[in-house]
Amino acid sequence: AQKITQTQPGMFVQEKEAVTLDCTYDTSDPSYGLFWYKQPSSGEMIFLIYQGSYDQQNATEGRYSLNFQKARKSANLVISASQLGDSAMYFCAMRGKGYQKVTFGTGTKLQVIP
Amino acid sequence: NAGVTQTPKFQVLKTGQSMTLQCAQDMNHNSMYWYRQDPGMGLRLIYYSASEGTTDKGEVPNGYNVSRLNKREFSLRLESAAPSQTSVYFCASSESLKALNEKLFFGSGTQLSVL
Repeated sequence: AQKITQTQPGMFVQEKEAVTLDCTYDTSDPSYGLFWYKQPSSGEMIFLIYQGSYDQQNATEGRYSLNFQKARKSANLVISASQLGDSAMYFCAMRGKGYQKVTFGTGTKLQVIP
Repeated sequence: NAGVTQTPKFQVLKTGQSMTLQCAQDMNHNSMYWYRQDPGMGLRLIYYSASEGTTDKGEVPNGYNVSRLNKREFSLRLESAAPSQTSVYFCASSESLKALNEKLFFGSGTQLSVL
């Protein structure tokens, strides 16, 4: 069974500062993929970044980077130079064996303060 | 670009009523999904369709049925709505189920209230 845990229900960050959103996962699959999605107040889910379990380097996409620590089963999202538009819910997700099931965490609500 | 289109955006039902949520994608994706989002529970998979002509149950299929009408369209039906089905419903699609890095493209959601 797959499980994603996001222990931070809500976080605040000052504009222009960096912030780390935590995600830990549990799976018995040898191969898996980890995703982060953003959900602004408008409701749509937006893909941010992907990390494969066998990728040697941490994924980066613009201001987003994924701090992947395989031994600790963590896949934390780092947002650099926070902007007001980053205020949203952020979901960590995992796809494992069978590929059809993407398991989501409960989300972290990030608020960027001017 | 439309992407994934869901209708309706809002719906209020009485217990026992039925309704169908419609979803269409214009990205020529093979796989489509229905999720529900409840506070504090993240997104949970209701049903998915790996390819045209196939559908399978997800985590929480009870009380729902789906139809993959064609490659573009995937509908979700509530035959007899219950208050426990009050939720936000998301349709999503992906190119296929053949790779771990297949990201999901989501519709804008349907907010459903069952009284």
